Amino acid sequence: QSVLTQPPSMSAAPGQKVTISCSGNASNIGTNYVSWYQQFPETAPKLLLYDINKRPSGIPDRFSGSKSGASATSATLDITGLQTGDEADYYCASWDSSLDGVVFGGGTRLTVL
Amino acid sequence: QITLKESGPALVKPTQTLTLTCTFSGFSLTSRGVGVGWIRRPPGKALEWLAIIYWDGDKRYSPSFKPRVTAVKDTSRDEVVLTMTEMGPVDTATYYCARWRQYFDLMSGNYTNKEGRWDYWGQGILVTASS
Repeated sequence: QSVLTQPPSMSAAPGQKVTISCSGNASNIGTNYVSWYQQFPETAPKLLLYDINKRPSGIPDRFSGSKSGASATSATLDITGLQTGDEADYYCASWDSSLDGVVFGGGTRLTVL
Repeated sequence: QITLKESGPALVKPTQTLTLTCTFSGFSLTSRGVGVGWIRRPPGKALEWLAIIYWDGDKRYSPSFKPRVTAVKDTSRDEVVLTMTEMGPVDTATYYCARWRQYFDLMSGNYTNKEGRWDYWGQGILVTASS
């Protein structure tokens, strides 16, 4: 059972937008920042977003993140202009101040129909 | 160019101790605000964080694994070694090492994990625990 909660799967058509949610509590998302990771089958995860909405070099601006307020306990990952190449597993993560460690979400498998 | 690579056995027997080595390049584990950690993904399941060892020698372990895991660093060899005792079939997973970047808090003048993230990952190593 992961500390952060994500929908197990989502699907959308090419060109559409999908929003993946990540729900936590005051000790993790409510206090610390969220990062997002993309993982294709048989490959290592890759950093997609950090500090809620900052993109590492090479990540297209089709990927964006948000959090509804400074103390909000959930965050979202938006992917616009979906491409078949976006089919992957997506994970959120945050530091948990109570557990004093990193917590991950259960992952969301995205299917682009 | 920053790279990390895991090495170790592909197969361990139940009750044995697993020892994995993360060899990295392109950065130093003496650089402030940097850590190297371990994450695993069992087949069909989600990512699980195991441990982090920081630039200053501090360590953090997942409460779920703390009694069983130990991380040590060798800065002269640019390596971090993870040991996990009492391996069992449920520990079958792909194990990744990754670089953890901390956040510099201007107010306190300290590096914190508030904005931490895993910015570079190794390719992973599949470890099967079976007799």
